[in-house]
Amino acid sequence: DGGITQSPKYLFRKEGQNVTLSCEQNLNHDAMYWYRQDPGQGLRLIYYSQIVNDFQKGDIAEGYSVSREKKESFPLTVTSAQKNPTAFYLCASSIERGLTYEQYFGPGTRLTVT
Amino acid sequence: AQSVAQPEDQVNVAEGNPLTVKCTYSVSGNPYLFWYVQYPNRGLQFLLKYITGDNLVKGSYGFEAEFNKSQTSFHLKKPSALVSDSALYFCAVRAGYNNNDMRFGAGTRLTVKP
Repeated sequence: DGGITQSPKYLFRKEGQNVTLSCEQNLNHDAMYWYRQDPGQGLRLIYYSQIVNDFQKGDIAEGYSVSREKKESFPLTVTSAQKNPTAFYLCASSIERGLTYEQYFGPGTRLTVT
Repeated sequence: AQSVAQPEDQVNVAEGNPLTVKCTYSVSGNPYLFWYVQYPNRGLQFLLKYITGDNLVKGSYGFEAEFNKSQTSFHLKKPSALVSDSALYFCAVRAGYNNNDMRFGAGTRLTVKP
């Protein structure tokens, strides 16, 4: 899982509560990403950030929010507006040098909302 | 926008036999292609990538993949499967340089039986 940490590994919340998932990287990568994984659907992009203080919506940003105050950190908040928040959440970071591109993933956080 | 198809949800092979996990893609321009492997409740681990150069790419754990531009395919192969290769495999495509939109397939579950 490289130099990307996600905490906690398992998270349980009651419906209607906001919850924040942590993602930290020590790879000095510029770009960071949040994906959601559901069975049989692969990975879907929630948000990504190419530089500090800038981020863009992915395909399924509704009900989520992010911040990028530091290069190393890209926390994701799952708000009460997210209709079906129970999923496995993966954080990633990437670096691009010329024709070389590498994206690495953290170990994931499994969120269960009841 | 780019897309990836993994036509098989499940692939079963006997230990010692060759394995193939299929992937086809659709992208405008030159693709960046990737294979990742995921073990239960873990993040994705990078296996190999094609960006330019030789069509046959060798990666981690004895895996290789062949980029076929005419068939828009990037199938993952291994000459002799191990039980420990059993996992979920994802193909991904990125539409060229400086593009943060990476699309993942739905995943193929590989089971290697002793």
